[in-house]
Amino acid sequence: AQRVTQPEKLLSVFKGAPVELKCNYSYSGSPELFWYVQYSRQRLQLLLRHISRESIKGFTADLNKGETSFHLKKPFAQEEDSAMYYCALRNAQKLVFGQGTRLTINP
Amino acid sequence: DAGITQSPRHKVTETGTPVTLRCHQTENHRYMYWYRQDPGHGLRLIHYSYGVKDTDKGEVSDGYSVSRSKTEDFLLTLESATSSQTSVYFCAISEWGQETQYFGPGTRLLVL
Repeated sequence: AQRVTQPEKLLSVFKGAPVELKCNYSYSGSPELFWYVQYSRQRLQLLLRHISRESIKGFTADLNKGETSFHLKKPFAQEEDSAMYYCALRNAQKLVFGQGTRLTINP
Repeated sequence: DAGITQSPRHKVTETGTPVTLRCHQTENHRYMYWYRQDPGHGLRLIHYSYGVKDTDKGEVSDGYSVSRSKTEDFLLTLESATSSQTSVYFCAISEWGQETQYFGPGTRLLVL
């Protein structure tokens, strides 16, 4: 069965510190993974996708098939990064979401 | 924001009453989805639609039904609301071949 696990419900770091939000998945085929973000009073929106291997707002995520992980990283956190982050796995035209991690950046 | 609206945005209702939530899109996208968002569970798919009159169940479909009579509208109905259906409900859309889903603003439902 397809499953996405985000082990941390809450994560708090200081401004300027590195950030890593963990995501692990289980999927029998070739996975397509995404990170979605929900800022306060805004809609859930796509942050990045593993296929494009892009960096968005300083965030990167590398797919590690051996460890079945897709961790989200940023070297220097900013206060505006405070938000709810969801890792998601594509299954045909559907998405399977993880439980979410609420990231708080302390000044 | 993609042209997705949800109505109502907030609703308080009593156990046992029927409730219908509406999702409206102006993007002419083929796929529409209903999710519920709960702490500790993330977003879970309730139902989705892959075309007019074409719908299928998601992970947590019990107690919910949907209808899509035209491309732009996707209705979610709670036939007899229960307190366990208190949640935030999100609609999303996507197009065939596109990876990205675009989300609506959400509806907060409280069942007393």
